[in-house]
This record gives sequence, C-alpha cells and structure tokens, in this order.
Amino acid sequence: DAGVIQSPRHEVTEMGQEVTLRCKPISGHNSLFWYRQTMMRGLELLIYFNNNVPIDDSGMPEDRFSAKMPNASFSTLKIQPSEPRDSAVYFCASSFGQSRPYEQYFGPGTRLTVT
Amino acid sequence: AQSVTQLGSHVSVSEGALVLLRCNYSSSVPPYLFWYVQYPNQGLQLLLKYTTGATLVKGINGFEAEFKKSETSFHLTKPSAHMSDAAEYFCAVTKGTSGSRLTFGEGTQLTVNP
Repeated sequence: DAGVIQSPRHEVTEMGQEVTLRCKPISGHNSLFWYRQTMMRGLELLIYFNNNVPIDDSGMPEDRFSAKMPNASFSTLKIQPSEPRDSAVYFCASSFGQSRPYEQYFGPGTRLTVT
Repeated sequence: AQSVTQLGSHVSVSEGALVLLRCNYSSSVPPYLFWYVQYPNQGLQLLLKYTTGATLVKGINGFEAEFKKSETSFHLTKPSAHMSDAAEYFCAVTKGTSGSRLTFGEGTQLTVNP
C-alpha cells in the first residue's frame, strides 16, 4: 500500500496568493482528516470527513480556509488569500472508520511557507 | 469531552537507559488510547494502541504502554533506549465510536544521548 499521499511536499508562496494542498487517502479508508502543526500551537485538527461528507470543521481558522472531498480518493485544502501566519506543516490522515479501533494513518505533510 | 496531558515537553535519556514518557487522559466514556511517533520532517506513525482487553500493549520498536484506569494514565516505556528512538511522541485519545476524532497531547521530544 502506498500510504497517504500529499502534494506538494513543500510550498513557498507570497502573502495574498491562493494555496491548494492535496491529499490522496489510503484506498478503502472512508475518513479523512486535515491537521496543521506549528511550534506555537502544536497539532491542530482543522476538519474531517466521513464518507466524503464534512463532519466537523470547527477547527478551520477562518473563512480563508476551505476543504473539499469530491470523491473517496481525493481531498483538497485551500487557503485564499494566504497570510504569513498560515506558515505551518499541514498533514492529511485517513482511517477506516467503520470498525474499531479508530486509528489514523498520516501522510508525510506539506510544509507551507508564506512570505 | 476528552483531553490528554503529556507531562514533560522534553525528556532526555542516555542510550541504553529506560525510556518513560507520561500521558494522562480525561474521558467521559471508556477511551481508546494511542501513541504516535514523529521523526524529523515526517508524518506521525502509530506506535501502539489500547482498545479493550489486555491493559499492557506492545508496539513497534520495543515500546509498550500500560492502560491504568484508576490512574487515568497510559505511559509509554521502553527498557533500553536507542539513538534511533530520538523523535517526538504524541499521546492521543478517542471515544472510539464511528466518526469520533482523535485528541492529541502536546507532544514530548525525546533526546537520546550517547
């Protein structure tokens, strides 16, 4: 199994630009999670989907952030417009949520730098 | 609501010494508990998990953890540290029901000295 795939691995952009992060979950998994990790705030859950439907987006910082999951094998996290404080590592994780235990498998992350 | 507290943001041990990383949880329902490890510039990797049954669980790389309900703890141990164990370790808790989310602790950075 290829594991969770994220692209790009690194992204450097200027303030005000649109940024799109991509994630391909493990085949057969039906739950997908987006996290943000920073030194100041640690690991934060932004949003998660179950069967392609957003279940909890209470962690999305503000309206500049949006996430979609058009099908079971693809999700995007978009930031528009980006700001320097969005600089972080963004992780995608997936799990098979129909059975216990409810463990998540993480991708390698996208390191975002907004200048 | 659930929460996790990891005692000690940094732990330093000598190679060959015992590793003990502390985790206490709060949960209104029987919890499922996890330990994840994050190596530099990588994603989180599952080390071990407790769901039900045996309270002492063994994971990868020689790590184990014991669920103690009376102490609401799930401490991670390894008898003998190796240089390759240097990483950040996260404890996490979930209700274990379909659609429930993981709540992570703040992480403990483990340093192994030669």
